Amino acid sequence: QVQLQESGPGLVKPSQTLSLTCTVSGGSISSGSYYWSWIRQPAGKGLEWIGRIYTSGSTSYNPSLKSRVSISVDTSKNQFSLKLSTVTAADTAVYYCARDIVVVVTPLYQYSYMDVWGKGTTVTVSS
Amino acid sequence: SYELTQPPSVSVSPGQTARITCSGDALPKKYAYWYQQKSGQAPVLVIYEDSKRPSGIPERFSGSSSGTLATLTISGAQAEDEADYYCYSTDSSGNLWVFGGGTKLTVL
Repeated sequence: QVQLQESGPGLVKPSQTLSLTCTVSGGSISSGSYYWSWIRQPAGKGLEWIGRIYTSGSTSYNPSLKSRVSISVDTSKNQFSLKLSTVTAADTAVYYCARDIVVVVTPLYQYSYMDVWGKGTTVTVSS
Repeated sequence: SYELTQPPSVSVSPGQTARITCSGDALPKKYAYWYQQKSGQAPVLVIYEDSKRPSGIPERFSGSSSGTLATLTISGAQAEDEADYYCYSTDSSGNLWVFGGGTKLTVL
């Protein structure tokens, strides 16, 4: 059974870059049709989709964060990573990684949804 | 931008039916997904593709979608179902994925 585990610094200074890694165990990150996603949740608030990556390297980002976000994948380590630049206190949140199942309906239409999540890691932006 | 609108809270007595709605302009053409999040835990998928239930999710959880409204129904709600529930879907372009604001279900 696939499991995901987030890791990275719990404290980041304002204006710096937040970097997190998600390690996939129990299966290969390259097998099957999956996207690999990042989601965040400020304390007491709702979920926000950050973006996703396919193992081919193609990415999709939330437009509200696109200028500051980068998601990459390292298939040799079975990991994918998130970088969020120029952080502020508003980026303080629990960050989750998740697996997206991709369903291909036609060559031009596909959709996906998250079926396995990591437990989340808390990142605080503070000096 | 695109928004999915949920009621902030729903309350039911144990054994009653809880219905949580999610409104979005693209829902007539896009699937809705529902996640359950208990306090301090990661979200868990309870309904996918409007009405399908993942393995291991109790039969009392069901979903439906009509027009711009998707609905999560919990028939015979139990105390263990107390949680925040989030709908999830995409805009008409399929490029922006969003969560609804979440609905806190209280069973008392």
